[in-house]
Amino acid sequence: DQQVKQNSPSLSVQEGRISILNCDYTNSMFDYFLWYKKYPAEGPTFLISISSIKDKNEDGRFTVFLNKSAKHLSLHIVPSQPGDSAVYFCAASDMTTDSWGKFQFGAGTQVVVTP
Amino acid sequence: DVKVTQSSRYLVKRTGEKVFLECVQDMDHENMFWYRQDPGLGLRLIYFSYDVKMKEKGDIPEGYSVSREKKERFSLILESASTNQTSMYLCASRSPGGQPQHFGDGTRLSIL
Repeated sequence: DQQVKQNSPSLSVQEGRISILNCDYTNSMFDYFLWYKKYPAEGPTFLISISSIKDKNEDGRFTVFLNKSAKHLSLHIVPSQPGDSAVYFCAASDMTTDSWGKFQFGAGTQVVVTP
Repeated sequence: DVKVTQSSRYLVKRTGEKVFLECVQDMDHENMFWYRQDPGLGLRLIYFSYDVKMKEKGDIPEGYSVSREKKERFSLILESASTNQTSMYLCASRSPGGQPQHFGDGTRLSIL
């Protein structure tokens, strides 16, 4: 049973507009969340993270929002650029009890940024 | 920059063969992981290792084994390959303490 869900398999957005990617989780013990970006034929690369003590983390064009009560996080990309076209994975971990750093991953959202 | 290198980008094997996938990292990371990526399922953890000669099962270990004889190298073994093991295999490493995992570029394995 998937503990991390990305319910939108794909997202198309115009260049310059905002991309919003959503992720839901079921395990209330998760306290550390990551977003990875993956291009075809490459491994996922780390994009941004957020700890459960925060509700927002920003890095340049990328902002992650965490709503613990709803068990929901989202990634905002503003403005979207053609190079942002990739698959985005949400991942979650229980860092408090799991020191090995195992993550549960969502199924991914394919983002296509159109000119 | 962390470098995680997987020995093959593409591999084609036959059912019943024993298959070895190799992964090497250059950052002295304690933890190493093997995932498979399938459409609609994301990344699923097969096995991980937290130290030399130490291993733990992930979520889908059936049909796989692993070996970690040196800190920098983590091998995934398909004991008797089957067609349902056709997939993209990704290796990752990290240091303990909240650091993100660093991934290799993956091995696209086809079992015929």
